[in-house]
Amino acid sequence: DAMVIQNPRYQVTQFGKPVTLSCSQTLNHNVMYWYQQKSSQAPKLLFHYYDKDFNNEADTPDNFQSRRPNTSFCFLDIRSPGLGDAAMYLCATSRWGQETQYFGPGTRLLVL
Amino acid sequence: AQRVTQPEKLLSVFKGAPVELKCNYSYSGSPELFWYVQYSRQRLQLLLRHISRESIKGFTADLNKGETSFHLKKPFAQEEDSAMYYCALPNAGGTSYGKLTFGQGTILTVHP
Repeated sequence: DAMVIQNPRYQVTQFGKPVTLSCSQTLNHNVMYWYQQKSSQAPKLLFHYYDKDFNNEADTPDNFQSRRPNTSFCFLDIRSPGLGDAAMYLCATSRWGQETQYFGPGTRLLVL
Repeated sequence: AQRVTQPEKLLSVFKGAPVELKCNYSYSGSPELFWYVQYSRQRLQLLLRHISRESIKGFTADLNKGETSFHLKKPFAQEEDSAMYYCALPNAGGTSYGKLTFGQGTILTVHP
């Protein structure tokens, strides 16, 4: 089945230690999104890619970076995680012109 | 700026009772609206979109432009409907096309 895959499902890192979360998709969608979702809150968009064009949200901290080496893969890099960055990180995809987004299962990040 | 408001953080009903999850929006154009659902330990997924005018799992939602509302309704709630529900509004146009603005979510609990 075509889908959005996120690895790992759980990630533990240390305060200040860089961490990378990954997302892959078999839907061949040209738009990919990264969201941060804290407990009992709505997903908050960090950035998105339309093909290789990167679009950062104005309030996304510089600590968060992203890479999209090809259509199928997208990475979220947190350069120096703080305790406040502990959250669920959701990847989603969509096809340009169709607003429906398809979400991955998320990666829960714990910062010690 | 566009905005989505879900006034109820928590909603509890008994099995078989009608349920209505409220959503109000602020948008200057002709909106396309969605309801997403997140069941326990599952990924966020699309429940329905207003343009489809369909009923999914017994749920319907009608866009009321006069009241700027898109309430989600089901005449007879089931225990398996217990989940977090998000109302969402996509941006239209420009590089933000498809970017979703989520409401804060409503946790629905259906008691036996």
